[in-house]
Amino acid sequence: GAVVSQHPSWVICKSGTSVKIECRSLDFQATTMFWYRQFPKQSLMLMATSNEGSKATYEQGVEKDKFLINHASLTLSTLTVTSAHPEDSSFYICSATIAGARDEQYFGPGTRLTVT
Amino acid sequence: GENVEQHPSTLSVQEGDSAVIKCTYSDSASNYFPWYKQELGKRPQLIIDIRSNVGEKKDQRIAVTLNKTAKHFSLHITETQPEDSAVYFCAASRGGGYQKVTFGTGTKLQVIP
Repeated sequence: GAVVSQHPSWVICKSGTSVKIECRSLDFQATTMFWYRQFPKQSLMLMATSNEGSKATYEQGVEKDKFLINHASLTLSTLTVTSAHPEDSSFYICSATIAGARDEQYFGPGTRLTVT
Repeated sequence: GENVEQHPSTLSVQEGDSAVIKCTYSDSASNYFPWYKQELGKRPQLIIDIRSNVGEKKDQRIAVTLNKTAKHFSLHITETQPEDSAVYFCAASRGGGYQKVTFGTGTKLQVIP
């Protein structure tokens, strides 16, 4: 149980285009989802906290107009990287917590984004 | 906000030896401390966690200790095996499922056969 999927697993896009990444909780309802970015050989850096039906809370330094997050249902959150640049190339990972349960985050498999 | 420091950044041990990774945190309201193992290109995998009402927790070869007064916690892996080689992250959170988790900088553990 507590499976989180991400789609796509990897994507290559051209500079200036937008790309959407989906995060789904497959067998549970997730009131809260988190989006992380991880550069090579670095830690996971939280980008934003996403709550179903409300606006995402972005971490300091993360451009909310560039990284659009939508949490339209209890099982789906999306991250759209707009006007992508090569420096946005990274590993994007989402996680979700089970509504009503405590603490543990369940991570998606990640999406490798390469911007050329 | 929360700040989690982790040491060492790299650790090499002989197979069968023990490995210890240490973390400190800054937010006295943090009460949930998970540890993750991450293999290259994969998602973090929860290996053990501890909450602030407990000072120590053990699961087979893995143990975690927590000192809330000093704001530090440690991961202990005994009888290390080559498959323990990975990057390990400590983290801290105020708990509750909706609270964000702050990760440490990571420790690359290499177990030498």
